[in-house]
Amino acid sequence: DIQMTQSPSTLSASVGDRVTITCRASQSINSWLAWYQQKPGKAPKLLIYKASSLQSGVPSRFSGSGSGTEFTLTISSLQPDDFATYYCQQYDSYPHTFGQGTKLDLK
Amino acid sequence: EVQVVESGGGLVQPGGSLRLSCAASGFTFSNYAMSWVRQAPGKGLEWVSAIRDSGSTTYYADSVKGRFTISRDNSKNTLYLQMNSLRAEDTAVYYCARAYGSGSLPGYWGQGTLVTVSS
Repeated sequence: DIQMTQSPSTLSASVGDRVTITCRASQSINSWLAWYQQKPGKAPKLLIYKASSLQSGVPSRFSGSGSGTEFTLTISSLQPDDFATYYCQQYDSYPHTFGQGTKLDLK
Repeated sequence: EVQVVESGGGLVQPGGSLRLSCAASGFTFSNYAMSWVRQAPGKGLEWVSAIRDSGSTTYYADSVKGRFTISRDNSKNTLYLQMNSLRAEDTAVYYCARAYGSGSLPGYWGQGTLVTVSS
């Protein structure tokens, strides 16, 4: 199975900050990587698919990059609504494993 | 509007069984792969199982293989997860998700149904 490792596990930031979350795969997954945002008590929301494609309706301050084994999610200017937990998921091969999550909280 | 609504969760004893359902609407159900993803209390997301649009091919996480069965009834626009030999570690919110596009990536999620395995 492909292991997905996110870093950091927790990130403290302020409104207006630029933040980056990293996701590493234990083997190449080409660009078959997605990013989700989850708020407490809510279902995950798909933000980015195929490493860098923005889901419809997702603000342009979110961007994704990478291929192979290393990927990043960047939020260019944090907004109050962005404080949440973020997960990466590979869908190159089954099982479609998730990273352990990165909790983004207010500094 | 794409909508998936899970049901069937509840309290079950270790070793027991439960069947989850996911009712789909707002799209042509038979055209999309479907998945189940779970989240234990206070923990991260765990992919559980997926099924192709026709129902001909299924996939499972090692942690549930041999105990859980995913299936679908395209005539009823409904996805199922039959869970047998339940363990305490299966306690979680179970989410149903429709694929995003033609692939298998979970793109549209329901609100989840809680399964609690406890004596």
